[in-house]
Amino acid sequence: DQQVKQNSPSLSVQEGRISILNCDYTNSMFDYFLWYKKYPAEGPTFLISISSIKDKNEDGRFTVFLNKSAKHLSLHIVPSQPGDSAVYFCAATPLVSGTYKYIFGTGTRLKVLA
Amino acid sequence: NAGVTQTPKFRVLKTGQSMTLLCAQDMNHEYMYWYRQDPGMGLRLIHYSVGEGTTAKGEVPDGYNVSRLKKQNFLLGLESAAPSQTSVYFCASRGTAMNTEAFFGQGTRLTVV
Repeated sequence: DQQVKQNSPSLSVQEGRISILNCDYTNSMFDYFLWYKKYPAEGPTFLISISSIKDKNEDGRFTVFLNKSAKHLSLHIVPSQPGDSAVYFCAATPLVSGTYKYIFGTGTRLKVLA
Repeated sequence: NAGVTQTPKFRVLKTGQSMTLLCAQDMNHEYMYWYRQDPGMGLRLIHYSVGEGTTAKGEVPDGYNVSRLKKQNFLLGLESAAPSQTSVYFCASRGTAMNTEAFFGQGTRLTVV
């Protein structure tokens, strides 16, 4: 039972355009959400996060939106750059549980075309 | 500034062999995790620890054991390796602040033949 879903395995975007990566979750106990970026042969690196008390968080070119009623979050990258080409994982955790387990989606491979 | 270090980086095992993967973190983090990454499956949680001397099962714990004898180390053991355990293994750690991220190691690529 996949609690965190990324339904698009891959996405191609032209340099300078907006990249939108989507993530859905099923567990209503999740209250903290993160996006990680992963390059080949490296470990995932943290990109941006959002708490369930917010609906938007912005950090430079990266913005994460959270729609709690739809159990949906999205990552916007504007403008997209070739260096953004990587696999992006969304993750969720139920902070209230105290275990801080991160449950990850299956990832979306983003390719930014120059 | 090492962060999270995994040893070894690569390993090939024969079916039935045993091995231990070592994860070490130098950030004094309480929480540590072991994940495996497989094509199309994302990162799946194997086991985790909420502090020294504690361990708990994650999503896919079968065939693995873990130990957290020291706060900075989290060991993942395979007692009898199977081809289905061919994967890339990632260790991660995080601190106790509520809204914070986990930091990952560089991964261990394990092949079981």
